[in-house]
Amino acid sequence: DTEVTQTPKHLVMGMTNKKSLKCEQHMGHRAMYWYKQKAKKPPELMFVYSYEKLSINESVPSRFSPECPNSSLLNLHLHALQPEDSALYLCASSRLLLAEETQYFGPGTRLLVL
Amino acid sequence: QQPVQSPQAVILREGEDAVINCSSSKALYSVHWYRQKHGEAPVFLMILLKGGEQKGHDKISASFNEKKQQSSLYLTASQLSYSGTYFCGSRNAGNMLTFGGGTRLMVKP
Repeated sequence: DTEVTQTPKHLVMGMTNKKSLKCEQHMGHRAMYWYKQKAKKPPELMFVYSYEKLSINESVPSRFSPECPNSSLLNLHLHALQPEDSALYLCASSRLLLAEETQYFGPGTRLLVL
Repeated sequence: QQPVQSPQAVILREGEDAVINCSSSKALYSVHWYRQKHGEAPVFLMILLKGGEQKGHDKISASFNEKKQQSSLYLTASQLSYSGTYFCGSRNAGNMLTFGGGTRLMVKP
């Protein structure tokens, strides 16, 4: 089983709202990732967690706040977003944070900020 | 730094072959190939780790020349299901996966 699940599938929010995206995997993977993907562009790395600790933050604005409550769950808390933050948000996981490890992606959350 | 993919787009007839190239100006520790269909998540195809390594997956294969910092994806006897956007991803020393700009492939009957 190489499944990464994400909820919700779609999300519409206003610029003053607070919402959260959720990602879950039960493959025993210890590295989890958040990516942002705009239309016709490649996924861009936002955050990386390794063993539930934040390992990489790609200079993401503070209105995005990641959280890794346990080894299976990854959240992305959203607050005071801008319309340009509208995108597909992808979660991925890999067994470990190593160059030879495959990343498995979830189906994504399509976010629209009004 | 983002790897560079070429071509940006290609249209094929069913049964034709295609090559997608991926190159980097920085040292590559591994190259990952993904295919993404419209509105779906990227799906892993294969990973290449060593210089000169080649791998195959059904009628899709790839090579990785570590010295030249290049990888190529070969699609043989393309099928309609091969349509989508292909991304190469390179892992650098920091273990971050950076994707190339993508190659949009359309296979027509």
